[in-house]
Amino acid sequence: QMQLQESGSGLVKPSQTLSLTCAVSGGSISSGDYSWSWIRQPLGKGLEWIGYIYYTKNTHYNPSLKSRGTISVDTSKNQFSLKLSSVTAADTAVYYCARGPIDLTLGYFDYWGQGALVTVSS
Amino acid sequence: QSVLTQPLSASGTPGQRVTISCSGSTSNIEFNPVSWYQHLPRTAPKLLVYHSNQRPSGVPDRFSGSKSGTSASLAISGLQPEDEADYYCATWDDSLNNWVFGGGTKLTVL
Repeated sequence: QMQLQESGSGLVKPSQTLSLTCAVSGGSISSGDYSWSWIRQPLGKGLEWIGYIYYTKNTHYNPSLKSRGTISVDTSKNQFSLKLSSVTAADTAVYYCARGPIDLTLGYFDYWGQGALVTVSS
Repeated sequence: QSVLTQPLSASGTPGQRVTISCSGSTSNIEFNPVSWYQHLPRTAPKLLVYHSNQRPSGVPDRFSGSKSGTSASLAISGLQPEDEADYYCATWDDSLNNWVFGGGTKLTVL
């Protein structure tokens, strides 16, 4: 059974960099059949897609992040990671990792992690 | 302000049928398939419907999705107390070039 689990810094100071990792089990990131996304939910608000990565390391990001996001993949550890720079209080959210489609326009997210709360505060 | 518009709340009594709408535009819902997710607090969101009207294995047939033009809907029939959750629609937006979600609908089972 596919499982995703987020881990990383729960408290980040303003202007610093948020770092999260998603460990994937029950399947291989290198299979090439899926993309791997980060999605967040600010408290009391809706879901926002951050970006995705393929095992080939091709990435695509939500333009609203203004180039602050970096997603990387480590196929040897079967995990992928998110770094978000220059964080502000607006980046406080529950961050989810999720498995998505190869064809972004036609797909869906079929497996999600439980989420990791990241708070930006001094 | 979400790109896809959902009602903030919906409610029904056990056994009833409720429908949750998701309104978009020609750059998203009209030409791309819609997916729906059920989200309970502190849990992983669960895929309920994909390709606008398909159910993953294990999802009860009480849940059904439809799409027409720039709008989509999720219908839940035979409402059960465990259906109380937040529901989100999602699709790809060709103009924004990214995934977009609805703001979420909180379903209350009275």
